[in-house]
Amino acid sequence: SQQGEEDPQALSIQEGENATMNCSYKTSINNLQWYRQNSGRGLVHLILIRSNEREKHSGRLRVTLDTSKKSSSLLITASRAADTASYFCATVGKTGANSKLTFGKGITLSVRP
Amino acid sequence: SQTIHQWPATLVQPVGSPLSLECTVEGTSNPNLYWYRQAAGRGLQLLFYSVGIGQISSEVPQNLSASRPQDRQFILSSKKLLLSDSGFYLCAWSVFTSMCFGPGTRLLVL
Repeated sequence: SQQGEEDPQALSIQEGENATMNCSYKTSINNLQWYRQNSGRGLVHLILIRSNEREKHSGRLRVTLDTSKKSSSLLITASRAADTASYFCATVGKTGANSKLTFGKGITLSVRP
Repeated sequence: SQTIHQWPATLVQPVGSPLSLECTVEGTSNPNLYWYRQAAGRGLQLLFYSVGIGQISSEVPQNLSASRPQDRQFILSSKKLLLSDSGFYLCAWSVFTSMCFGPGTRLLVL
């Protein structure tokens, strides 16, 4: 299966600390994306990193991709209470059935004020 | 700008009753549309996707069906709901390579 798997499943940190979330996947990808979901709401696209990229930044977000290890990390710097949400990685494979966006089970991030 | 609407936001239905969830998109034409289901504490499971009017692809065999009667309308249906159909249903459309999601419908089958 193409499905990404995030770890840890849950993360609790203090406001101001950095939050690091990891995602591993199984087959070759075209790109990897991170989404955020506030409780009871739809998902919001955060950032996309292509298979030929190693690192991307967007505001307080930093995403890395290691295709040799088939893994990605999402770093949120200087976390805020408003960052509390579930975070999902999703992968787009290169061919056939794997070319659809496939989501992991998500990481629940709690930022304590 | 593009907007995606879903309704209702919450729905409680008895087992065996029919279902119709509607999704509409504004601000774009000929979008690819998707229905996902999210069970409690689980990831998103792709149920159906559509690349155009009347074109539906099903990802998993189940008690549900989908239809696309208009370019920007996507409907999820069931003739008889099961307890296992409970969950959070999300409609989405693809923007180049990423997804834009609707607010979701929480379905509770009792």
